[in-house]
Amino acid sequence: DSGVTQTPKHLITATGQRVTLRCSPRSGDLSVYWYQQSLDQGLQFLIHYYNGEERAKGNILERFSAQQFPDLHSELNLSSLELGDSALYFCASSPRDGGTGIQYFGAGTRLSVL
Amino acid sequence: AQSVAQPEDQVNVAEGNPLTVKCTYSVSGNPYLFWYVQYPNRGLQFLLKYITGDNLVKGSYGFEAEFNKSQTSFHLKKPSALVSDSALYFCAVEKDSNYQLIWGAGTKLIIKP
Repeated sequence: DSGVTQTPKHLITATGQRVTLRCSPRSGDLSVYWYQQSLDQGLQFLIHYYNGEERAKGNILERFSAQQFPDLHSELNLSSLELGDSALYFCASSPRDGGTGIQYFGAGTRLSVL
Repeated sequence: AQSVAQPEDQVNVAEGNPLTVKCTYSVSGNPYLFWYVQYPNRGLQFLLKYITGDNLVKGSYGFEAEFNKSQTSFHLKKPSALVSDSALYFCAVEKDSNYQLIWGAGTKLIIKP
């Protein structure tokens, strides 16, 4: 168990809808990363938050947004969903001080857009 | 631009044989390199890292990786493969010392009994 909790585990929705994925990082970790994993594009970095502030954006669509709250949990919002958004979405966390790139991954949320 | 390449989509090895999963990188400065493993329906798990020092790094589950600066490689190895090693393996390099990782495409390792 990595200590990173993602909910829900599975999500089935329709095109055009909006969903929210939730991530609770490991106790004490200040950084949260979101990734999308699909069969055709592999593991894609979406966005990184550190202690509530956005640090970096990767290949994140404008229809997607994220935030990190004062209690350090994070939410990834996906709107106007398309079939191609079906994927596994992972959250990872890492400590800032003394960290050297080790990220701890949650079990993921499997999103199916029908 | 910093990048990571895993040239093999899939590697097949017989149980008990040594295994190698290849990774090459392109970075400016000194690289911080990582291997992660993903078992089916699970998140990625950290295996090992190279920051500095000894070129042979030992990690979890009996895995090790050899850093070769002249060949810009960081291949993952294990002397004797187990069926339970079958998984997806990702190589990554740290970018800009900001704890962001650049990921390879992943290599599927299949160990046959």
